[in-house]
Amino acid sequence: GAVVSQHPSWVICKSGTSVKIECRSLDFQATTMFWYRQFPKQSLMLMATSNEGSKATYEQGVEKDKFLINHASLTLSTLTVTSAHPEDSSFYICSARGGTLGTQYFGPGTRLLVL
Amino acid sequence: GQQLNQSPQSMFIQEGEDVSMNCTSSSIFNTWLWYKQDPGEGPVLLIALYKAGELTSNGRLTAQFGITRKDSFLNISASIPSDVGIYFCAGPPLSNSGYALNFGKGTSLLVTP
Repeated sequence: GAVVSQHPSWVICKSGTSVKIECRSLDFQATTMFWYRQFPKQSLMLMATSNEGSKATYEQGVEKDKFLINHASLTLSTLTVTSAHPEDSSFYICSARGGTLGTQYFGPGTRLLVL
Repeated sequence: GQQLNQSPQSMFIQEGEDVSMNCTSSSIFNTWLWYKQDPGEGPVLLIALYKAGELTSNGRLTAQFGITRKDSFLNISASIPSDVGIYFCAGPPLSNSGYALNFGKGTSLLVTP
């Protein structure tokens, strides 16, 4: 099946630093990628939709200046958490939409811990 | 987005038992997806359903897309310990042209040997 990778798989950083997370579709081209956030024992919540070559569409309540998304190619989208704070600690998961039926395939997630 | 109501919230069963979980919505969906998530991992697609009434199997898993397009169920037969995890239903509602998925809150499955 389709493979989506994320890097890094986990990161610990100090409050105030910025963290970049990469999402790659390894064996297919994805015109659309999605970024989700998941808190412990909760479901996935969509943060933003990322389209190659255009600006991301953010869900209500998600600060676009806080969570910068870049989708520069058909196989790579990046999420940068700027000036991270402890409340940004979460599990961030990307997905890529591909194939003839447009199924979404998820990356393995990135666990962010902000101290 | 439209809420997907998933039930049961959790299940605790013995190895070998069959499992059934379902998902309902007040909105129509054109696609129903079932994912499994292990702790610390991203969701893995189990079964995708694209047509009302469709019944699809993947090994011991069977899922159906309800005729009304507002519900779906997932069955697991002869459960084994590695079936442990959280199962999510998901789908892009018709009102969403961007194909972003709405997720149910998940069914947590525990299987004892």
